[in-house]
Amino acid sequence: DTEVTQTPKHLVMGMTNKKSLKCEQHMGHRAMYWYKQKAKKPPELMFVYSYEKLSINESVPSRFSPECPNSSLLNLHLHALQPEDSALYLCASSQVGQGGNEQFFGPGTRLTVL
Amino acid sequence: QKEVEQDPGPLSVPEGAIVSLNCTYSNSAFQYFMWYRQYSRKGPELLMYTYSSGNKEDGRFTAQVDKSSKYISLFIRDSQPSDSATYLCAMSPPGGGNKLTFGTGTQLKVEL
Repeated sequence: DTEVTQTPKHLVMGMTNKKSLKCEQHMGHRAMYWYKQKAKKPPELMFVYSYEKLSINESVPSRFSPECPNSSLLNLHLHALQPEDSALYLCASSQVGQGGNEQFFGPGTRLTVL
Repeated sequence: QKEVEQDPGPLSVPEGAIVSLNCTYSNSAFQYFMWYRQYSRKGPELLMYTYSSGNKEDGRFTAQVDKSSKYISLFIRDSQPSDSATYLCAMSPPGGGNKLTFGTGTQLKVEL
């Protein structure tokens, strides 16, 4: 099974709402990632979890809060977002290594902030 | 100058053509090279993965890495309309903490 699943597929939220994005993989990968992608741009790394611990935070604003409850699940909690946060949010997973491990992406959650 | 340069296109070819997609990079430490295909409003799909220099073939796809020129290519033979997508190159050095550096993506359209 080489699938990464993400829910929901689409999300519309107001600036005062709190919502969460969910990601799941069953490939036995111990690294999981959140990316943000704007139209016609490449994915932009937000967070990396390695062995369920946050290893990279790319200076993401605190209105985005990641969580890795176990080795298969990754959440992204959203609060007080801005309209410019509207984007495709992608989850990915890979083996943990010294670099260059293939990352497998989920289908993404399309987020619209009103 | 960006670490990875990729022509954004769009690139339009007739069905059955051989397509060549390319990326150049400046960081000589990059050792791992990937090509992703991304359909509109979907997540990127890993197509090819190569380590260091050389060629790798998988069906209609061939990935080529020339480290001396800091240049990588993806060739698609017998292109099909279903190949119409954005193609992203990505690369990382050893010890890069699993961080990938992406190209901007090339939009490809294969016309009937």
